[in-house]
Amino acid sequence: DADVTQTPRNRITKTGKRIMLECSQTKGHDRMYWYRQDPGLGLRLIYYSFDVKDINKGEISDGYSVSRQAQAKFSLSLESAIPNQTALYFCATSDGVSYNEQFFGPGTRLTVL
Amino acid sequence: AQKVTQAQTEISVVEKEDVTLDCVYETRDTTYYLFWYKQPPSGELVFLIRRNSFDEQNEISGRYSWNFQKSTSSFNFTITASQVVDSAVYFCALRVVNSGYALNFGKGTSLLVTP
Repeated sequence: DADVTQTPRNRITKTGKRIMLECSQTKGHDRMYWYRQDPGLGLRLIYYSFDVKDINKGEISDGYSVSRQAQAKFSLSLESAIPNQTALYFCATSDGVSYNEQFFGPGTRLTVL
Repeated sequence: AQKVTQAQTEISVVEKEDVTLDCVYETRDTTYYLFWYKQPPSGELVFLIRRNSFDEQNEISGRYSWNFQKSTSSFNFTITASQVVDSAVYFCALRVVNSGYALNFGKGTSLLVTP
């Protein structure tokens, strides 16, 4: 089984709808992240969380919110989706060792019509 | 400011050619970490290598090698004798200490290896 899972894998929705993307991990990591990938722009950080009580905004947090329900779960919400939020969204985890890599989920492809 | 520049947007080579992917980074921190990830057409992100700022040793792993030079703030990636399976987008990333150790990614280099 994958260490970092994301649901759904694909989603098409309409402008103005509320959408939640979910991320779960079995790696036991404290730190979790949400990134957004747009063609030609690389990955950009939306939110990150050190633990359940510690959530921080990233570079492009406007229009998004997150919830850390448990150590293993980190959800990303779009309260009112708009077309320019169409992108590939990745969840990632890491332990507290700065040297170690992040582990990424498979991604969620979101299309907002 | 933390920044990663991958100036090569797309590279196309013929199988068995060697290819180097460039990565230039900017940071004021004396301690930092650099990473390379591969994103094949299937979309997942695959970790390739990490390097910290105190370790300038180059590394070789099979056909892959990495050249880290602090003097030029570069962390370049070379694939020797490229294969079709190397076709992917490759990302260089810098670990940002003041953002919870999140990764600051370059825009990626799309590598196409043709038979």
